[in-house]
Amino acid sequence: QQQVKQSPQSLIVQKGGISIINCAYENTAFDYFPWYQQFPGKGPALLIAIRPDVSEKKEGRFTISFNKSAKQFSLHIMDSQPGDSATYFCAASEESSGGSNYKLTFGKGTLLTVNP
Amino acid sequence: NAGVTQTPKFRILKIGQSMTLQCAQDMNHNYMYWYRQDPGMGLKLIYYSVGAGITDKGEVPNGYNVSRSTTEDFPLRLELAAPSQTSVYFCASSYAQGRRGSNQPQHFGDGTRLSIL
Repeated sequence: QQQVKQSPQSLIVQKGGISIINCAYENTAFDYFPWYQQFPGKGPALLIAIRPDVSEKKEGRFTISFNKSAKQFSLHIMDSQPGDSATYFCAASEESSGGSNYKLTFGKGTLLTVNP
Repeated sequence: NAGVTQTPKFRILKIGQSMTLQCAQDMNHNYMYWYRQDPGMGLKLIYYSVGAGITDKGEVPNGYNVSRSTTEDFPLRLELAAPSQTSVYFCASSYAQGRRGSNQPQHFGDGTRLSIL
């Protein structure tokens, strides 16, 4: 059972364009939603994260939009640059009773290519 | 600080051989994790540890074992290598997860690429 569904699998965007990656989840107990960025030959690194008490979070050119009722969240990369070419993973976890949970469920990833 | 260091970077094994993937972190993180990454499949949690002497199974633990004798090290053991274990293995660590609103990011190593032939 895939608990976090990510789309598209791959995405090609022109420099300066907007890249949009979508994720949907099933477990309503999820309440922490990070995005990780992975360059070839490297491990993933945290890019940006959101909790469901806000509908949007922006850090520089990266924005997470969150729709709790639809159980969906998305990553928007504004003014996409060739250096943004990487694989992006959405993830989710639940802060269970006691306020601590540490197991992330990852989406399958999106390979983003930004053409110059 | 080196962060999370994984060794070796690459390895080829024959079916039935055993090996240990090493992982060390120098950030004094309590929590450590092992994932495997297969093409188009995302990352799957194999085992995790919340502190020295404490380990637990993740989503795909079969065929693997772990130990955590120190805070810094979290080796992953493959006892009888099988072709299905061909993958890229990532180790990660984080501070202890705290109260709501204090979720800690996981820091990943650069992976071990393992082929079993």
